Amino acid sequence: DAKTTQPPSMDCAEGRAANLPCNHSTISGNEYVYWYRQIHSQGPQYIIHGLKNNETNEMASLIITEDRKSSTLILPHATLRDTAVYYCIVRVATSFNTGKLIFGQGTTLQVKP
Amino acid sequence: DGGITQSPKYLFRKEGQNVTLSCEQNLNHDAMYWYRQDPGQGLRLIYYSQIVNDFQKGDIAEGYSVSREKKESFPLTVTSAQKNPTAFYLCATGKGGNTGELFFGEGSRLTVL
Repeated sequence: DAKTTQPPSMDCAEGRAANLPCNHSTISGNEYVYWYRQIHSQGPQYIIHGLKNNETNEMASLIITEDRKSSTLILPHATLRDTAVYYCIVRVATSFNTGKLIFGQGTTLQVKP
Repeated sequence: DGGITQSPKYLFRKEGQNVTLSCEQNLNHDAMYWYRQDPGQGLRLIYYSQIVNDFQKGDIAEGYSVSREKKESFPLTVTSAQKNPTAFYLCATGKGGNTGELFFGEGSRLTVL
């Protein structure tokens, strides 16, 4: 499985866009990029995933570079409730059947008023 | 509401006692998972089940047991053989197939006194 690298922490002003980077230089052609977040003392929450095209949903946008070696999660208008640990995970989709997600340290995003 | 219910949210037990954590889902998902999370760490897979009456060990199954008698339920027993049971326990479900999205419960925090 491809290893991911994320900055340990980031700050963002409330109402501004939060851009969370993730490096995955060893990603394979059939591996997806997934983003989850975990608010303190709660279960992780799925945000978005993509293979090679940029993706957008009601929560966020995912920008994947053309070479797929890095990606950025964008929260367009961060709120205080977006303060959480954000995890970038690279996996083959079918491997989720075994539940073997590898949640690393993630990025702690602190949204400030 | 559709979702995953874990109970109890907080649990205290004395050393040498077994304790069972409940996980119930009404999402009609085939796959269910149990994870353990220690402070400041990622998630580690304990057990998973892809279908009723079948389950598989994850990465840290020693000292734990599970059952999957019903699609909706996947209880986890933390036995006295688990050396360091104090942790945050998370239950998750998945649709199976090629989807990579997991749905997590709110977690159960177990403290051994």
